[in-house]
Amino acid sequence: NAGVTQTPKFQVLKTGQSMTLQCAQDMNHEYMSWYRQDPGMGLRLIHYSVGAGITDQGEVPNGYNVSRSTTEDFPLRLLSAAPSQTSVYFCASKNRLAGVETQYFGPGTRLLVL
Amino acid sequence: KNEVEQSPQNLTAQEGEFITINCSYSVGISALHWLQQHPGGGIVSLFMLSSGKKKHGRLIATINIQEKHSSLHITASHPRDSAVYICAVRSLRADGLTFGKGTHLIIQP
Repeated sequence: NAGVTQTPKFQVLKTGQSMTLQCAQDMNHEYMSWYRQDPGMGLRLIHYSVGAGITDQGEVPNGYNVSRSTTEDFPLRLLSAAPSQTSVYFCASKNRLAGVETQYFGPGTRLLVL
Repeated sequence: KNEVEQSPQNLTAQEGEFITINCSYSVGISALHWLQQHPGGGIVSLFMLSSGKKKHGRLIATINIQEKHSSLHITASHPRDSAVYICAVRSLRADGLTFGKGTHLIIQP
């Protein structure tokens, strides 16, 4: 299993540009989420999905869109990038088996918005 | 006030020392996670706790639900334990995780 994969690893954007951060998992997990990590702050939840066709907002959803058309993929879209979106983005998925819950994180995408 | 507070923020210790990292939270939770973030940035799940104590190798995690407090202990610490250790909670009212800011641990040989 590849686990959780993210592409690209690093991206530079100009203000106003759009892009999609890709996330995929091959563990058949229903729950997937996107977090951003900024210096001096804990990871913060952007959006999450509890299954294909279902998404919901997290703590910091503004400026981001998501969709979940398949169990495997959960892309994060920036429609008009802003410097405040410079961050490291992590995608995660989790399973819940008999009360045990394990989070699996992707390697992260470093985004710089100029 | 952050819902999840970790202490200390930074910790430097000598190889072999017993390490304790603390996590306090202010909301009712259904689960607490301890995560490790390597210097390269990757995040690995260490434990999920809803009560009691768990042990994996040299790592021990405990939680006191009544006191809203958890600790992560590392026995016989080693330089490869150097990382950021992150506490995260799943509250009773939401499905996502709320994270602490992390504890930056350095183990010197």
